[in-house]
Amino acid sequence: AQSVTQLDSQVPVFEEAPVELRCNYSSSVSVYLFWYVQYPNQGLQLLLKYLSGSTLVESINGFEAEFNKSQTSFHLRKPSVHISDTAEYFCAVSDRGNFNKFYFGSGTKLNVKP
Amino acid sequence: EAQVTQNPRYLITVTGKKLTVTCSQNMNHEYMSWYRQDPGLGLRQIYYSMNVEVTDKGDVPEGYKVSRKEKRNFPLILESPSPNQTSLYFCASINPWNEQFFGPGTRLTVL
Repeated sequence: AQSVTQLDSQVPVFEEAPVELRCNYSSSVSVYLFWYVQYPNQGLQLLLKYLSGSTLVESINGFEAEFNKSQTSFHLRKPSVHISDTAEYFCAVSDRGNFNKFYFGSGTKLNVKP
Repeated sequence: EAQVTQNPRYLITVTGKKLTVTCSQNMNHEYMSWYRQDPGLGLRQIYYSMNVEVTDKGDVPEGYKVSRKEKRNFPLILESPSPNQTSLYFCASINPWNEQFFGPGTRLTVL
């Protein structure tokens, strides 16, 4: 079974500053990787994903994440955050051999201050 | 509009009183899943389904049942709820590219 670690439970940051949300997973087997965002009182929405190919993936709202196989990491970054990015972010992993099973990290609350 | 619906959105019940949380998707996805979300623990998978009449356990299946009699519906059943099942529950529908579409959530309180 996989385990997913998001070391930072909360990340405060000022508007227009860069941010990195860290995610590490346990197994080196082939995986699919995801970042989901949850705005207050809402369900989760897919932010971006890595299935194969280029290790750098981007979302439509300026976030990017890089798959690093040797470090088993999939950190999420944004060069300049906005107030509207305030939300909780979850990293998720599924094994290619059994992609119906998903493992989520405990979440990182991003609080963007003016 | 493509969506996943859950009902009820909020439920307060008492220990031992059977309940069902419904989940329905209109995207014709074969795969569906149930999660519970607890503070500091993220989402944990309860059950998932690969197709009609095909289900399997996730990481925390104890105390829950599911059924998949139709492709669009995937109800979650708590036959004898206990206070430790107080949680926020999410249903998800999964497309062939492994992207999950989540419902709005059901907040359950078991007294």
